[in-house]
Amino acid sequence: QVQLQQWGAGLLKPLETLSLTCAVHGGSLSGYYWTWIRQPPGKRLEWIGEISHVRSTSYNPSLKSRVTISIDTSRERFSLNLRSVTAADTAVYYCTRFSPSVGYTWFDPWGQGTLVTVSS
Amino acid sequence: DIQMTQSPSSLSASVGDRVTITCRASQDIRNDIGWYQQKPGKAPERLIYVASNLHSGVPSRFSGSGSGTEFTLTISSLQPEDFATYYCLQHNGYPRTFGQGTKVEMK
Repeated sequence: QVQLQQWGAGLLKPLETLSLTCAVHGGSLSGYYWTWIRQPPGKRLEWIGEISHVRSTSYNPSLKSRVTISIDTSRERFSLNLRSVTAADTAVYYCTRFSPSVGYTWFDPWGQGTLVTVSS
Repeated sequence: DIQMTQSPSSLSASVGDRVTITCRASQDIRNDIGWYQQKPGKAPERLIYVASNLHSGVPSRFSGSGSGTEFTLTISSLQPEDFATYYCLQHNGYPRTFGQGTKVEMK
């Protein structure tokens, strides 16, 4: 059974870069889209972007100018970088796997979540 | 972006009640929608995929329906472990977008 374990710095100052990594345990990276999602306090979930095992990416236009998602297939992990953070980037960040198979599309499993707080 | 309008934003219900949550998409998304349950401090968990298919291990009291722009999640008989927040999520277009969530609280 595939499990995702994520980690990264939880407290940042404005204008710093948010960096999170998600390790994939127990499954292959190929055939899926590896995704980052965030949840600001009291707000709805927001899709940040995704990457495939061949490094094809899609990003939310609202964040595209500041986001990079990368993948390391040899270490079976993928990462999120979000540059020039502000207080508005304070959120719980989740990694997850998107299965694109026709008729079997879903986001599962999910990482445990990382609270990232941006404060001076 | 495809807007997902979920209603109600919250509801109070008792154990045994039938609960229905609705998501409306701003454009036709066929059946490219899933439903997720989130409990406080936890990651979302999948319930329903492709509008009406129950994930393995999810109790049969959960069901999903709809296509196009209108979708529903129904809990036929609410159980104590079902008090949580529920989200719809469309994957028909980019960016993927969520409903605002429905918090199911105990009456």
